[in-house]
Amino acid sequence: DTAVSQTPKYLVTQMGNDKSIKCEQNLGHDTMYWYKQDSKKFLKIMFSYNNKELIINETVPNRFSPKSPDKAHLNLHINSLELGDSAVYFCASSQEGGAEQYFGPGTRLTVT
Amino acid sequence: DAKTTQPPSMDCAEGRAANLPCNHSTISGNEYVYWYRQIHSQGPQYIIHGLKNNETNEMASLIITEDRKSSTLILPHATLRDTAVYYCIVRVHSNYQLIWGAGTKLIIKP
Repeated sequence: DTAVSQTPKYLVTQMGNDKSIKCEQNLGHDTMYWYKQDSKKFLKIMFSYNNKELIINETVPNRFSPKSPDKAHLNLHINSLELGDSAVYFCASSQEGGAEQYFGPGTRLTVT
Repeated sequence: DAKTTQPPSMDCAEGRAANLPCNHSTISGNEYVYWYRQIHSQGPQYIIHGLKNNETNEMASLIITEDRKSSTLILPHATLRDTAVYYCIVRVHSNYQLIWGAGTKLIIKP
C-alpha cells in the first residue's frame, strides 16, 4: 500500500486556469505538508496542517490554498495559474512534531 | 534554524562506504541534525536524525562531532541504488519546518 499518494502525477495547464492536486496518507499521521521544488531543485515548505488547522503558512501567494477535508487528506488548490507556478509539488506527512516526514511521489505541474 | 554546508557532489565506488560531510557551525543546543535523500524523480526519503550521540539504523550511521558543528552520514556498503541527492538539515525538534539546502549529489559508480 502506498503510504502517501498524490494525484495527478503530471498536470499540464494554461495560464489563468484553476487546478487542484490531491494528497492522501494512510499512515495515521497528524500533520501533512505541501512543498514546492522549483527548477533549481530547491525544496520549499508551503503549508502544513495539524489536526485540520493550518500551523505553517509560508509567504506563498494567496492563489494557493490548502484544504483538508479530514486528517488523511490535504489538497492543494491553485487559482489563476502563472508560468512561475511550474514546479514539482510534493505532499508529505508526519506524526505531530515528528522528525520523519514521509513524502509522496510528487506532481509535476507545467503551466503554458 | 541553523544553516548547513555540504559539498555539491561526491563519487563513491559500489560496495565501499560513502561518507557524506555536513557543516552546521551555528547549530543551537536544541537543534537536531536530519538527513534525507532524494532519488531522481522521487519524493525525498528520511534517513536518520540525531542530537548529540551517534546514531545507526538499517540505512545509515550518523556521526556528530563533540562540538556538534559538523556531522557525517555513512552509508556502509553503497549500492548503485544509493545514487541520490543527500540533504543535511538542522531544525528545532518541535518546529515542523524543514529548511532544505542544495544537498550533495552522490554518485555511486560500478
